[in-house]
Amino acid sequence: DAKTTQPTSMDCAEGRAANLPCNHSTISGNEYVYWYRQIHSQGPQYIIHGLKNNETNEMASLIITEDRKSSTLILPHATLRDTAVYYCIVRVPGTASKLTFGTGTRLQVTL
Amino acid sequence: DTAVSQTPKYLVTQMGNDKSIKCEQNLGHDTMYWYKQDSKKFLKIMFSYNNKELIINETVPNRFSPKSPDKAHLNLHINSLELGDSAVYFCASSQRRDRGFGDYGYTFGSGTRLTVV
Repeated sequence: DAKTTQPTSMDCAEGRAANLPCNHSTISGNEYVYWYRQIHSQGPQYIIHGLKNNETNEMASLIITEDRKSSTLILPHATLRDTAVYYCIVRVPGTASKLTFGTGTRLQVTL
Repeated sequence: DTAVSQTPKYLVTQMGNDKSIKCEQNLGHDTMYWYKQDSKKFLKIMFSYNNKELIINETVPNRFSPKSPDKAHLNLHINSLELGDSAVYFCASSQRRDRGFGDYGYTFGSGTRLTVV
């Protein structure tokens, strides 16, 4: 699985959009980009994933660059409850494929 | 109506003891996993079962033995517990889509905090 690089930490004001970047320059053609988050003391939570097109769901939007070497997770209106560690993971989906977590980005949403 | 439930939530035990953690999912998923999160917060996969068959077995001491009696349950038994086994253990499940968009993403339980003293 390709490696990812994320900033260690970010701050965001409540109500503003949180844009979390991820670099995955060695991503291969059949690898998807997944985003998970872990709120303190809870299990990781799936947010969104995509291959090459931008994706949106009720939680977030995922923007993947045309060359697929980087992506951005967008939380359109961050709230205090979005404070968490966000993980960007690239992998080929499948039962034998491991979901490997890196160090992630610690997002702190403030008043 | 919890999707992935683990028991117990907390477990404090002495070195050398044997203990089990249970996991059940009611999502109808066909694959289940055990992850370990250590004190530095790194999440590492330990095992994965698909339809009761072991498909991922990371470099884990053989004191750890997973058991999947059916595809809705994946238990973790740990023999001769050591101080270094102290961690939070997460169970997860996923379902592969029939075609197209990969799997749906993993659903994790709320974790079991194991403390070995």
